[in-house]
Amino acid sequence: SAVISQKPSRDICQRGTSLTIQCQVDSQVTMMFWYRQQPGQSLTLIATANQGSEATYESGFVIDKFPISRPNLTFSTLTVSNMSPEDSSIYLCSVVLQGMNTEAFFGQGTRLTVV
Amino acid sequence: GDSVTQMEGPVTLSEEAFLTINCTYTATGYPSLFWYVQYPGEGLQLLLKATKADDKGSNKGFEATYRKETTSFHLEKGSVQVSDSAVYFCALRDSSYKLIFGSGTRLLVRP
Repeated sequence: SAVISQKPSRDICQRGTSLTIQCQVDSQVTMMFWYRQQPGQSLTLIATANQGSEATYESGFVIDKFPISRPNLTFSTLTVSNMSPEDSSIYLCSVVLQGMNTEAFFGQGTRLTVV
Repeated sequence: GDSVTQMEGPVTLSEEAFLTINCTYTATGYPSLFWYVQYPGEGLQLLLKATKADDKGSNKGFEATYRKETTSFHLEKGSVQVSDSAVYFCALRDSSYKLIFGSGTRLLVRP
C-alpha cells in the first residue's frame, strides 16, 4: 500500500489569491493524479502529473488555472490560481504504485473554501 | 467517451436489510471496475475491485460481479449495518490508469 500525505488538509482563501497543495507519497509511484470533488458531487480528474515534464490536463482544465509540478517520483504540487468561489472543492491526490498492484490510493484531500 | 452511471440516492435502509446499488458503465475497451467508499469526514477508500469479466470482488460483506454482457457492476450486501452509512462511488479505470467515477450514492442505515 501507499501512505499519502496531503497538505494543507483545509484552507479558507480570499478570491483572487492562489493556493498550492502538496502531495507526498512514502514510496515511488508510477502514476500521480489530481482530482476535484465539488460539493455534493463526484470526483473529476483534473490532470495526470508527469515526472519531469508538463502535466496532462483533462478537458475543461488548463495549466494557467491549475499549474502542477512533479519534480520526482514521490512528490507533486497542485496550485489553484486566481481563485473564485466556484473553486471551492475538495482536491485529492491519487497514486498508482509500481509493480503488479495497480490499485489507486487517495490522499485525505484538501478542503478549499474560497470567500 | 467512457462513463459510469449509478443509481441516485440517498438510499435509506433499516439495519440488516439487503442492499443493492446499481452501477452500469460504457467503455470502449476492457476496463477494471471498482467500488470506493467515503465515510463521513474521511477520505476515499477502495472497497472492492474486479479486473475482468465474471470476476467477483468482495470485502467487508460487500460483493460486486463484473458483468460484461450487461455492462454492470452492481454492489450488494446481504445485511447492512449502521456503520455502512457512507457515500459509495462506482468507478472504471481505463488503460491509462485514469479513474472515471459515477455520481455517488449516499447510503443511510437506520438502527
